This record gives sequence, C-alpha cells and structure tokens, in this order.
Amino acid sequence: EAGVAQSPRYKIIEKRQSVAFWCNPISGHATLYWYQQILGQGPKLLIQFQNNGVVDDSQLPKDRFSAERLKGVDSTLKIQPAKLEDSAVYLCASSLVAGGLEQYFGPGTRLTVT
Amino acid sequence: GEDVEQSLFLSVREGDSSVINCTYTDSSSTYLYWYKQEPGAGLQLLTYIFSNMDMKQDQRLTVLLNKKDKHLSLRIADTQTGDSAIYFCAAGEGGTASKLTFGTGTRLQVTL
Repeated sequence: EAGVAQSPRYKIIEKRQSVAFWCNPISGHATLYWYQQILGQGPKLLIQFQNNGVVDDSQLPKDRFSAERLKGVDSTLKIQPAKLEDSAVYLCASSLVAGGLEQYFGPGTRLTVT
Repeated sequence: GEDVEQSLFLSVREGDSSVINCTYTDSSSTYLYWYKQEPGAGLQLLTYIFSNMDMKQDQRLTVLLNKKDKHLSLRIADTQTGDSAIYFCAAGEGGTASKLTFGTGTRLQVTL
C-alpha cells in the first residue's frame, strides 16, 4: 500500500512570495490533515479535512494560509505572502475515517523563507 | 488547550533499556500516542494507549500511563542504534483521536 505522498520535498522562497504544497493521501482515507513543524518543535495541526469539507481550521492563519481538498482526495496548502516565520516542515497526514486512531504521515515539505 | 511536555534528550548504550517520559495537561485526553521521527522523514506511529489502560506492550515497546499524574512513558527494551531518532508524545484533545497536540520531542541517542 502506497503511503502519503507530498511534493515538493524542499522549497526555498523569498519573503512575500507565494508557495503551494501538494499532498496525496493513502487511497481510501477520508480524513486529511496538514501540520506545521517548526525546527525543534512538535507538529502543530493547521487544518483537518473530512472528505472535501473542513472539520477544523482553528489554528490556520487565514490571512495568509489557505487549503483545499476539492475532490476529497488530493489537497493543496498555499501560503501567500510568505513570512520568515513560515520556515518549517509542512506535514500531511491521513486517516481512514474521521477520528481514526491512526494517522499516517507523509515525508513533509521543508520550506525555507529568506 | 492541551500542553504536552517532554525532556529534550536521552542517551543510552546499545542493549540497555530506554525510558522516554511525557506529561500532558488535559485530563479528558482519551488517546495518547508515541511517534518516531528519523532525520528527513515524516512521523511513524509506534503505538498508542487508551486512557482506561495502565500499560500496553508491543514487542520491545512498553507504554505506561499514570492517568492521575497525567504521565506517559515509553520504554524501549534492548535499544539498538536503529532506534536513534526523535520520539514525540501526542495527546488527542478533548477526548478525540483527531486533534493531536504534540510534545517538543525527545532525541534518543544510542551509543555503542
């Protein structure tokens, strides 16, 4: 069974530029999560989707971050415009159902904002 | 909200047991997790325990939960160099398994 796929793996941009990350969850997984992991910290949940609907986006900085999961499968996370403090690893995870006990993580996208 | 604390670093000799500790603040947390992260990789789920359990064993891994003190530990028996990684404790907020709050991670170094 293929795992969670993410691209790109690495991205370097200048502040005020825009960037987008892509995630393809495990086939059949209804729930998709985006986490932000700043260096030296644990992951922080940004947004949770159930199929193509948002379940929780309370920690998403909505003035600059947006995410969508239009067909209930792939998802994109966008930052516009980026700030220096957005430098982090962005992790995507999926679980079979909402509240599923096991979340499976992708390898992450490392973003550096200069 | 939930707050999860872990010590930053642990060094053990190969073959010894490792014990990684974690404390959390939300007494309603029902699901508690341990994840492993190797350099440049995502998080790998190691094990989890329900709050109505005191202990769970899975091969070399033993999880102990003291619900009264909100203390969780992960014991790795016969620690190997391949166990060197960062270990994250996570708690599901508000009795859910989906909204996870992670600790800052404990870096385990295994020496020969």
